[in-house]
Amino acid sequence: NAGVMQNPRHLVRRRGQEARLRCSPMKGHSHVYWYRQLPEEGLKFMVYLQKENIIDESGMPKERFSAEFPKEGPSILRIQQVVRGDSAAYFCASSPGSGDSGNIQYFGAGTRLSVL
Amino acid sequence: AQSVTQLGSHVSVSEGALVLLRCNYSSSVPPYLFWYVQYPNQGLQLLLKYTSAATLVKGINGFEAEFKKSETSFHLTKPSAHMSDAAEYFCAVRGTGGGNKLTFGTGTQLKVEL
Repeated sequence: NAGVMQNPRHLVRRRGQEARLRCSPMKGHSHVYWYRQLPEEGLKFMVYLQKENIIDESGMPKERFSAEFPKEGPSILRIQQVVRGDSAAYFCASSPGSGDSGNIQYFGAGTRLSVL
Repeated sequence: AQSVTQLGSHVSVSEGALVLLRCNYSSSVPPYLFWYVQYPNQGLQLLLKYTSAATLVKGINGFEAEFKKSETSFHLTKPSAHMSDAAEYFCAVRGTGGGNKLTFGTGTQLKVEL
C-alpha cells in the first residue's frame, strides 16, 4: 500500500514563475491537507480539501496561492508569480476522514521549493 | 484557538540515556495529540497519538507519552536512547470541536551522542 506520494521532490523556480506541486493521497483516503515548513520552523497548516471541495483554507495566503483536489487525479497546490519568500518545504498529508483512524494524517516526503 | 509549545529546540542525550521531549498544549476543547518524527529530508512519520482513551500512550520505536490534563502536557519519553533516534520531533494538536487541521510546535532536534 503506497503512502502519500508527492512530486516533484525538489523544484527550482525563478521569481515570477509558477510552481505546481502534486500530491496523491494514500489509497482509500479522501481528505488531503497541505502544510508549509519554513527553515527552522514547524509546519504551518495551509488548506484542507476533500474531493472537489475546499473545506478549510484559513492558512492560505490571500494572493497567488490556490489548491484543488479534483474528482480524478492528484491534489495540486499552485503558487503563481513565486517570490523568494515562498522557498520552503511543502508537505501533503492525507487521512481516511472517518472511523477511529479518521483523524490521523499521514504525510508525504514533501516538495522542497527553491526560488532563485 | 489551539497552540503547542515545545520547550527546548535542541536536546542532546547520551546513547542509552533517558529521552524526554517536552510538549505543552493549549486547547479550548479536549484535544487529539500527536508526536511525529522527521528524519533529514524526509516527511513526518507518526510516532504515537492520544485520542482520549488511555492517558499513557505507547508508540513505535519504544517511545511513549503521557497525557496530563492538569498540566496540559504530553511529554514524549524513551527509556534508552539509540543513535537512530537522532531526528527532529514535532508535537501537534488537533481539536475535536471541528476542523481537521493540525497545529504543530516548532520542533525539538534530538542529538544522540556516544
